[in-house]
Amino acid sequence: KQEVTQIPAALSVPEGENLVLNCSFTDSAIYNLQWFRQDPGKGLTSLLLIQSSQREQTSGRLNASLDKSSGRSTLYIAASQPGDSATYLCAVRVGNAGNMLTFGGGTRLMVKP
Amino acid sequence: GAVVSQHPSRVICKSGTSVKIECRSLDFQATTMFWYRQFPKQSLMLMATSNEGSKATYEQGVEKDKFLINHASLTLSTLTVTSAHPEDSSFYICSARVPGTNTEAFFGQGTRLTVV
Repeated sequence: KQEVTQIPAALSVPEGENLVLNCSFTDSAIYNLQWFRQDPGKGLTSLLLIQSSQREQTSGRLNASLDKSSGRSTLYIAASQPGDSATYLCAVRVGNAGNMLTFGGGTRLMVKP
Repeated sequence: GAVVSQHPSRVICKSGTSVKIECRSLDFQATTMFWYRQFPKQSLMLMATSNEGSKATYEQGVEKDKFLINHASLTLSTLTVTSAHPEDSSFYICSARVPGTNTEAFFGQGTRLTVV
């Protein structure tokens, strides 16, 4: 059974810092990995999708990497801003049939002005 | 990008009543939609997979008679929480993927259910 773990569970940083969120998964036979952002009481916003054949994806100040063989992904946030405060979730998709997203527990990020 | 709309965003109901939550794909046809549940400060747990025109597939431990899922059209899936109890209070989120593609899953805005 696929298990996804995110470290740290919570993180508080001053504005402007670069930071790294970690995601690990137990079964490397994934189809893709996705990073989401969730604001309190809201749904999920997709940030980055990395296919199993890819090593990284970038969008603005966000960069996600994937090392499938070691079962790890990182989300790098450059020059953090208070507006980045949210919970960040990673999810892995197993197989092409259906969704079968398995989520990590999330990292709650607080960026202080 | 594709849009998934979920309604209502918040609902409060009395114990013993039933509540229906709708999930719509606005600009694509979704043969498959997914329902998740999220407890406070916890991650999302898949409850069931909703298949258009057929019965939903429920995850282990999810009562199908308690959480009725109907996917009668290619753009609408509904989750009905029957005979709701306070322990059913939670955040429910649906998602859908554009069929035949390898695109990311798109999520609805979520529904905060409070049973009093």
